[in-house]
Amino acid sequence: EPEVTQTPSHQVTQMGQEVILRCVPISNHLYFYWYRQILGQKVEFLVSFYNNEISEKSEIFDDQFSVERPDGSNFTLKIRSTKLEDSAMYFCASKQRGTLGSQPQHFGDGTRLSIL
Amino acid sequence: DQQVKQNSPSLSVQEGRISILNCDYTNSMFDYFLWYKKYPAEGPTFLISISSIKDKNEDGRFTVFLNKSAKHLSLHIVPSQPGDSAVYFCAAARLQIQGAQKLVFGQGTRLTINP
Repeated sequence: EPEVTQTPSHQVTQMGQEVILRCVPISNHLYFYWYRQILGQKVEFLVSFYNNEISEKSEIFDDQFSVERPDGSNFTLKIRSTKLEDSAMYFCASKQRGTLGSQPQHFGDGTRLSIL
Repeated sequence: DQQVKQNSPSLSVQEGRISILNCDYTNSMFDYFLWYKKYPAEGPTFLISISSIKDKNEDGRFTVFLNKSAKHLSLHIVPSQPGDSAVYFCAAARLQIQGAQKLVFGQGTRLTINP
């Protein structure tokens, strides 16, 4: 069964450094998402991406964050200058087009980001 | 943000019996609901969904019930199996014209199936 793949599985970065998290969504999916889960907290929406542009973003997704789909397969999340509070598990998800959007999102296994 | 709540952090059920996981929501604009299962060190895996035009959806051992007036949904697993032991997340969304929909998650319920 096709799946969303994320790399790396664990990223350790010094505070203030840039980090890029990578995702390969399922190939025929059109909608792409990033979520994060801080330890002990809920999974939170960060951003959705469709037709090569951001559809929606949360308050968390400030100017330090950006997303890109540089080619036909990869979807990346960049954090320009990491803070300690960016430490979390970051999940990528993708979704097919469906009637009235009622298709489930499929998630990757996540990248654990640790900021030192 | 308490728009989606799972009030039971954990649930323990005997193998072969029914597991019932509950979820409440406050935003009446939500019209699409999903259940995900998560094992440690893995991402959430989609289990079953329901749109607000239905009150029940069934897929094998999994059934989701939606009570719109109470803003409540539940996931029934019957019979429960040891492999069902995981954290279960309820999620809700507003279906949008372009279908981009963001998911709002509950806190999760850890289900343990005892042999």
